[in-house]
Parts: sequence; C-alpha cells; structure tokens
Amino acid sequence: AQTVTQSQPEMSVQEAETVTLSCTYDTSESDYYLFWYKQPPSRQMILVIRQEAYKQQNATENRFSVNFQKAAKSFSLKISDSQLGDAAMYFCAYHSYNNNDMRFGAGTRLTVKP
Amino acid sequence: KAGVTQTPRYLIKTRGQQVTLSCSPISGHRSVSWYQQTPGQGLQFLFEYFSETQRNKGNFPGRFSGRQFSNSRSEMNVSTLELGDSALYLCASATGTGNNQPQHFGDGTRLSIL
Repeated sequence: AQTVTQSQPEMSVQEAETVTLSCTYDTSESDYYLFWYKQPPSRQMILVIRQEAYKQQNATENRFSVNFQKAAKSFSLKISDSQLGDAAMYFCAYHSYNNNDMRFGAGTRLTVKP
Repeated sequence: KAGVTQTPRYLIKTRGQQVTLSCSPISGHRSVSWYQQTPGQGLQFLFEYFSETQRNKGNFPGRFSGRQFSNSRSEMNVSTLELGDSALYLCASATGTGNNQPQHFGDGTRLSIL
C-alpha cells in the first residue's frame, strides 16, 4: 500500500520569505499523481498544486512550486514570497493512476510571521 | 459554478445511534469520495462512488456505508455510532476516476459523538 510521510509537523516562515515543506512517499506504481492541498482554519481542503509522475518538469503555480524527485520518491513544496494568507495545514497527497483513493500525509502546520 | 456542498455542517449524536451525511458534488462531476479526518489518524479514505457504483473502499468496518444517486449526489451512513467515530467527514468530487483531474473538497461535516 502507498504511504505518504511528512516529517515536519510544524514550520514557520517570515512574511515575504521562502519556505520548503517536505514530503516523501512509498509506492510500487510507476504512474500516479501527487498533490499538495492546504487546509486553513475554515477547514476546506484547497488544491495548491499537482504533479503527474510521468512529467519530468516540476509543476509551478505562481508563488508555489514543487521539487519532484521520482527516483527518490520525494515531492517537496516551495512557497516563495510567503503571505499571511498562506498560514494553514498543508497536506501532501498520493493519487493512484487507476482510482480516486488518495493517501494523505499527516500534514505540516505552516505559520507565517508578520 | 457551485462547489461541493456537504450537509449538515455540524452534527451531535450519541453512542449507538446512526447518522446520514449528504454530499452534492460540483455539477458535472461523477465521482464522489469520502474521507474521515481525525487528529490521531489524519485523513483516511473511506470509499469512492462513480456512476452509482462503489469503486473503492478503505479499511473501515461495515458500519460505514454509502451510496450514490443518479444525479451523482452521495450519502454516507454510519450505524451503531462509537465515540471514535467523532471526526470531520470530508467529501470530494471529481470529473472522473483515475484521471489527472483533482478532487475538489467540501467544507465537511463535523460529527461529534457523546
């Protein structure tokens, strides 16, 4: 079974600075998708960024980018120019190619200091 | 476009009772997945429905069941409630299953068991 590990329960960043959240996963599948979701106190899960495993190019979405290392099974999220609104729980998720059974990491709580 | 709608937002039940939670997916989405979120276990996949058929099921007891209607709306039922069933139940919809389209989450139903 696939497992997702987020080794940083909490992270803190100064406003306007850059922070990187770590994620590793374990799978025997060759095709899959990876996602980062954020969950603010309002509790709705919001998609931040996604990466298809077959794509070598790292995904970027404005201030958010990933460092996808398929061989190392690593999928870190970099947030540039951090804003107060980025404060939330961030979840890394593994999405199998054949179904919608997503496996989530335990989450990283990001605090942004003004 | 309206998002994923879950009702009710909050629910309080006692042990032994049963409960039904509802999820209306985004218009045009045919896949609905359910997740349980607790502080101890994190986000865990319950099951997925696509075209009124259960496609996948997580590792939960038979007390947890669901169904999907022809309009893609889904309900989740938990019978003989236990204290450990207290959790945030999240529903997510997607256009299909096993594709690269992300799942979109609702605000969740907070279930408390007394």
